[in-house]
Amino acid sequence: EDKVVQSPLSLVVHEGDTVTLNCSYEVTNFRSLLWYKQEKKAPTFLFMLTSSGIEKKSGRLSSILDKKELSSILNITATQTGDSAIYLCAVEKAGANNLFFGTGTRLTVIP
Amino acid sequence: EAGVAQSPRYKIIEKRQSVAFWCNPISGHATLYWYQQILGQGPKLLIQFQNNGVVDDSQLPKDRFSAERLKGVDSTLKIQPAKLEDSAVYLCASSLSFQGSYNEQFFGPGTRLTVL
Repeated sequence: EDKVVQSPLSLVVHEGDTVTLNCSYEVTNFRSLLWYKQEKKAPTFLFMLTSSGIEKKSGRLSSILDKKELSSILNITATQTGDSAIYLCAVEKAGANNLFFGTGTRLTVIP
Repeated sequence: EAGVAQSPRYKIIEKRQSVAFWCNPISGHATLYWYQQILGQGPKLLIQFQNNGVVDDSQLPKDRFSAERLKGVDSTLKIQPAKLEDSAVYLCASSLSFQGSYNEQFFGPGTRLTVL
């Protein structure tokens, strides 16, 4: 059975802290791993990772995939209150273009 | 560019009633998805359309859920009759196409359904 597991389930940090969110997966026919940010309702796309060891970066956010360990991490440096959200990890299977999501990590950044 | 539109935004019904949700995808997007997101969980795919054809409905509870996309543009998702466990946010998403490499999915604001 396909599985995407995220940890921690929730995290509370102070502004300026650095956080690392984890995602591990067990799926057949893996194609890519995606990270989404969900504030209120609609998830918004952050990164898509297909190759192991290549870091993707956008401002204070970065992510990397480890295909050997079947995992990915999402790093956020110098956190701000606007980073408070649920961060979702999803896996795309080859030939499907639909996504299998993890349960998400709820990040709360307090001033 | 207009985003994915959904209505209603909120709906409260009693169990055994029926309900319908509407989604209008981004113009030109061939693929449309309906996801169910129960509180504390990630979105779960219910059904995927490519134009007006169904690509994947393996996780749609077909005894009570139905969906259509008759003209290959907007779509409706219906629940009849509703159960308490159907309380969730129903997200609609669209992408250019499902064939070939991954096409980013754009999500609508969702409909929050509460079944009493």
